[in-house]
Amino acid sequence: DAKTTQPTSMDCAEGRAANLPCNHSTISGNEYVYWYRQIHSQGPQYIIHGLKNNETNEMASLIITEDRKSSTLILPHATLRDTAVYYCIVGGHNTDKLIFGTGTRLQVFP
Amino acid sequence: SAVISQKPSRDICQRGTSLTIQCQVDSQVTMMFWYRQQPGQSLTLIATANQGSEATYESGFVIDKFPISRPNLTFSTLTVSNMSPEDSSIYLCSVRGGGETQYFGPGTRLLVL
Repeated sequence: DAKTTQPTSMDCAEGRAANLPCNHSTISGNEYVYWYRQIHSQGPQYIIHGLKNNETNEMASLIITEDRKSSTLILPHATLRDTAVYYCIVGGHNTDKLIFGTGTRLQVFP
Repeated sequence: SAVISQKPSRDICQRGTSLTIQCQVDSQVTMMFWYRQQPGQSLTLIATANQGSEATYESGFVIDKFPISRPNLTFSTLTVSNMSPEDSSIYLCSVRGGGETQYFGPGTRLLVL
């Protein structure tokens, strides 16, 4: 599985968009990009995933560069409840094993 | 979606003892996964458990230390054997739901003294 690189931490003001980057330069053609988050003292929660096209759901948007070597998770209007560790994971279609990196600790402040 | 419960939610144990953690899912699933999250760290996959077959362990984890049972499609147990303080972690089970989503339980917080 391809490795991902994320910033250790980020801050975001409440109500503003949070843009979380992820580098996955060794991603292969059939690997997807998955995003999960872990709010303190809870199990990880699925957010979104994509292959090459940009994706949007009720939680977030995922922007994948044309060369697929990096992506950005966008929380359009961050709230205090979005404070969490966000994990970018790369894996094959129907992947079962999730290999977690160190993630980005997002702090949303009032 | 899948709703997962774990028992116990937390425990404090003495070194040398064993603890069995239960994971219950509200729907039938083929594969269940067990993860460990050491203090301040990310999640590490321990093993994958299929119903009716031996669990598949990741590098660094062995069956003698972390025996797993998977008696049916909604239940699994993970035992942490002969515990030491280094086993103090959060242990989480997860299942793959429909499509690409994995669902995680709330975790079992273990402290070994």
